Amino acid sequence: DTEVTQTPKHLVMGMTNKKSLKCEQHMGHRAMYWYKQKAKKPPELMFVYSYEKLSINESVPSRFSPECPNSSLLNLHLHALQPEDSALYLCASGWVGQPQHFGDGTRLSIL
Amino acid sequence: GENVEQHPSTLSVQEGDSAVIKCTYSDSASNYFPWYKQELGKGPQLIIDIRSNVGEKKDQRIAVTLNKTAKHFSLHITETQPEDSAVYFCAASMRIRGSTLGRLYFGRGTQLTVWP
Repeated sequence: DTEVTQTPKHLVMGMTNKKSLKCEQHMGHRAMYWYKQKAKKPPELMFVYSYEKLSINESVPSRFSPECPNSSLLNLHLHALQPEDSALYLCASGWVGQPQHFGDGTRLSIL
Repeated sequence: GENVEQHPSTLSVQEGDSAVIKCTYSDSASNYFPWYKQELGKGPQLIIDIRSNVGEKKDQRIAVTLNKTAKHFSLHITETQPEDSAVYFCAASMRIRGSTLGRLYFGRGTQLTVWP
């Protein structure tokens, strides 16, 4: 069982929809991450939050909007996505400077 | 930035045999090297890690070795079992300048298949 919980597990949305991905951890980690993973590829870093502040944005298109309401929660708001955005979206958490622990991801399909 | 190369991309072994996956990195500033196992439909699971001040670490059937001079690290799995079948990713981490955050750079992954 993973200690990082992501919901929903699967999401199908049209290109005009607005949806949100959610991530929760109760390990007391102060760094939280969003990754995108395509099939048979390694995870690609999208965003990093440290102490609830956005620290890194890897030039991600503005149709992806992250939010960190508190130290346990991380959201990824989605709007006007493209078919190429279909992927597995992974959340991870870790102590600053320590190992990252991943959730099982949200499988996103854009119609 | 850091560049991590991982070989082989696929590896098939008979149950009970050993499996070895090798990675190289380019930036000597990398100081932490985790290995992740990803099963179908799951997220990457941390299975073992090693820091740059250690040459070898073992956890039951899994071991990792690090050669800082050669910028090379390897995962060794002994007495493989069918449940070891998965994609394995190596990664190198270095501190992001001006912060206490570490950033992971992943290898391309190795699909390990263990045949009964």
